[in-house]
Amino acid sequence: DTGVSQNPRHKITKRGQNVTFRCDPISEHNRLYWYRQTLGQGPEFLTYFQNEAQLEKSRLLSDRFSAERPKGSFSTLEIQRTEQGDSAMYLCASTSGSSFGELFFGEGSRLTVL
Amino acid sequence: AQKITQTQPGMFVQEKEAVTLDCTYDTSDPSYGLFWYKQPSSGEMIFLIYQGSYDQQNATEGRYSLNFQKARKSANLVISASQLGDSAMYFCAMRRTDKLIFGTGTRLQVFP
Repeated sequence: DTGVSQNPRHKITKRGQNVTFRCDPISEHNRLYWYRQTLGQGPEFLTYFQNEAQLEKSRLLSDRFSAERPKGSFSTLEIQRTEQGDSAMYLCASTSGSSFGELFFGEGSRLTVL
Repeated sequence: AQKITQTQPGMFVQEKEAVTLDCTYDTSDPSYGLFWYKQPSSGEMIFLIYQGSYDQQNATEGRYSLNFQKARKSANLVISASQLGDSAMYFCAMRRTDKLIFGTGTRLQVFP
């Protein structure tokens, strides 16, 4: 499978715990995005990387959220001290930056905070 | 501010019929791109079709076509010959600098 891979697919945690999601993009893609999607809404941009550089962060990304892409390959999204409002689907996408810039998405990581 | 609006929360269509999903956008940029994605229950966002603001012709990809009306700032998706497997959420999106912004989506249900 050469698509975008996300792990874990589902995570249930208690409020106050830390969680980490991993995204493996399509291998030749240099840009990697994180989006959050809540029920009944479209995906909302969180942050993106070009290679290992984090180029933009949304105001949605509070200081409890941190994302890394240390070697320009896979990325992690960590949420510290989770809150019930963090319950959502976290989507990762990648693109080569060429063509017209369509994003290739993974299947998402669904977070439930109890 | 750049914005995507999808006013149809849900649509029903009978198998083999055509259906149009509405999308309007707001931007002051002369150059922009418009996208449609499909999201089945599995959660993955699947790219369907793209329209550039300078493209003279409406985009088509198989059974999907984009009815682009620049003056009205609309980019409606037309699905011809609907199939049961087309049942899913559909999102319109616009490129804003290096990222996509999405509408709230339309749930399409295809019935036999």
